[in-house]
Amino acid sequence: GNSVTQMEGPVTLSEEAFLTINCTYTATGYPSLFWYVQYPGEGLQLLLKATKADDKGSNKGFEATYRKETTSFHLEKGSVQVSDSAVYFCALSVAGGFKTIFGAGTRLFVKA
Amino acid sequence: GAGVSQSPSNKVTEKGKDVELRCDPISGHTALYWYRQSLGQGLEFLIYFQGNSAPDKSGLPSDRFSAERTGGSVSTLTIQRTQQEDSAVYLCASRGRSNEQFFGPGTRLTVL
Repeated sequence: GNSVTQMEGPVTLSEEAFLTINCTYTATGYPSLFWYVQYPGEGLQLLLKATKADDKGSNKGFEATYRKETTSFHLEKGSVQVSDSAVYFCALSVAGGFKTIFGAGTRLFVKA
Repeated sequence: GAGVSQSPSNKVTEKGKDVELRCDPISGHTALYWYRQSLGQGLEFLIYFQGNSAPDKSGLPSDRFSAERTGGSVSTLTIQRTQQEDSAVYLCASRGRSNEQFFGPGTRLTVL
């Protein structure tokens, strides 16, 4: 079946530190991969996506590369800010499938 | 254009009462999802509507939960005889042609 596994949080970093949140997946077919972000008190919003192998999604200084050989889609940012404090969800959707499978979420705290 | 809206934003109810939660999807989006997010937890899929097809109810936790979508647009999630374990944030999302889901801000339900 399809599943998403992401690193457990919380992750606590100082401002300007490098961020990596690991995400691996299992899927039948060729999934599209997503990172969603949920800021405190808000709903989820799409952060970035990649639809095929070796694609790199990027937005707001975050990026993730679709690695088919390692079935991974790790989220990275070179220098985090306090405003990046949020919960980050890795997700996949199989082409033609209706469900998006979400990981459990990783909470990020960034200290000033 | 307008995003996904949900109402009410907060609902406090007494154990045993029925509640109705409303979702207005993005105009033209044919797919609509309901999720539940308990405190500090990931997303739990509840139900999915796609056009005029029969909804996928496989995620509903009990027969106290039901949902309908009228005219292919607005959806209502009903919880009958609420229990304290129903306390959570209920998120609605809609999807257009791509696999990206657009989320509403959620309804925070508290059952006393």
